[in-house]
Amino acid sequence: DVKVTQSSRYLVKRTGEKVFLECVQDMDHENMFWYRQDPGLGLRLIYFSYDVKMKEKGDIPEGYSVSREKKERFSLILESASTNQTSMYLCASSFTGTAQETQYFGPGTRLLVL
Amino acid sequence: GNSVTQMEGPVTLSEEAFLTINCTYTATGYPSLFWYVQYPGEGLQLLLKATKADDKGSNKGFEATYRKETTSFHLEKGSVQVSDSAVYFCALRLWGYSSASKIIFGSGTRLSIRP
Repeated sequence: DVKVTQSSRYLVKRTGEKVFLECVQDMDHENMFWYRQDPGLGLRLIYFSYDVKMKEKGDIPEGYSVSREKKERFSLILESASTNQTSMYLCASSFTGTAQETQYFGPGTRLLVL
Repeated sequence: GNSVTQMEGPVTLSEEAFLTINCTYTATGYPSLFWYVQYPGEGLQLLLKATKADDKGSNKGFEATYRKETTSFHLEKGSVQVSDSAVYFCALRLWGYSSASKIIFGSGTRLSIRP
C-alpha cells in the first residue's frame, strides 16, 4: 500500500514563527503536492513538485515556500506564520502521466497560529 | 475557468436510504473525474474515477457516471450505512503544461448517516 506520512498531526505556533511541515512518501512517486483545506473552500493547491528540486506554484502560494531535496520528501515552509494560515494542511503524491493518475494523501496536519 | 461545483451539505440520511450527491464541472478539454472520500481524522482517499464520457466508476457500492452532455458526475449509492459518514469531494484532473497534472476539487459535502 502507498503510504504518505506527515510529520505532525497537530501544531500550535505563534505569529511570526517559521514553520516547517514535512511529508514523506514511500512509493517512488514523481509528483508531490501541498494543499490547505478550509471549511466551505475544499482543497486549494499551494505548491507542487514534479521532480527533485523542481517546484511550481499552485493557486495560493503567497506566504509559503517549499523544498524537495529528495524524491520521497516534500517540505512546506511558512516563512513567518500568520493567523490566516491556521488551517488543515494535506500532502499528496502521485505517479506521472496517465489518465488513471490518482493522488494519495497523508492524514493531514492541523496548524493553529496564535 | 475550470471548476467543480457540488451540492452543499451537510446531508443527513437514515441507514439504508438512497444517496445522491450532485457534482457538475466546467473544464476545457476532456478531464478525468474523481470522487474522493475523507473519513473523520483522516486524509482523502480515492473512492472512484472515470476517465472518459459514459464511463461508470464504482467502488464499495458507490457509483458515478461521466456525463459529458450535462457535464456531471453525480455520486449515488443504493443503501447507505453508518460507516459511510464522511466528507465527499468531487474533483477533476487536467493535463498541465508540466508533467504533473493538477486536480481541482469541489468544496466537499459532509454526509451523516443515522442508525
